[in-house]
Amino acid sequence: EPEVTQTPSHQVTQMGQEVILRCVPISNHLYFYWYRQILGQKVEFLVSFYNNEISEKSEIFDDQFSVERPDGSNFTLKIRSTKLEDSAMYFCASRDSDYGYTFGSGTRLTVV
Amino acid sequence: AQRVTQPEKLLSVFKGAPVELKCNYSYSGSPELFWYVQYSRQRLQLLLRHISRESIKGFTADLNKGETSFHLKKPFAQEEDSAMYYCALKQGGNTPLVFGKGTRLSVIA
Repeated sequence: EPEVTQTPSHQVTQMGQEVILRCVPISNHLYFYWYRQILGQKVEFLVSFYNNEISEKSEIFDDQFSVERPDGSNFTLKIRSTKLEDSAMYFCASRDSDYGYTFGSGTRLTVV
Repeated sequence: AQRVTQPEKLLSVFKGAPVELKCNYSYSGSPELFWYVQYSRQRLQLLLRHISRESIKGFTADLNKGETSFHLKKPFAQEEDSAMYYCALKQGGNTPLVFGKGTRLSVIA
């Protein structure tokens, strides 16, 4: 069964540093998403991406965040100048037009 | 705005007992409803979607538009069902999934 792949599985970074979280969506999927889950809290939508541009973003997705699809396969989330409160699990998801979302296994980001 | 409510943070049942995980939603249109499961430290996995009306791992869920509910049910719980369960709602088009806060199901042997 095809999978969404995320790397790294765990990233530790110092406050103020930039991080890039990587995702390889399922190859024939058209819609891409980033979600995050702060420990003990619910899964929150960050941003959706379609046709090489952001289609929707939440209040959480401020100027600190950016997304890119630099080539035909990768989908990245960049967090500039990380803060302690950015510590969370970040999930990438993709879907085609007809089916539900397929999530990656997540990247645990720890900001120290 | 759409909202998904899962009133129980934790649900403990004995093995073999029936399970019902509650989910209520608020949305004025025709939503798509989903149940996702997250086993310990693993990815979110799609369990059910209401439009497919299928049964996965013995779980079923019926969309009740009158009560705006999409409760997840299983007649006989198994230990391997222990996990976090998230109800999620999606409007039409390319709108994002909105998740409930999740219910942790613990099945006791």
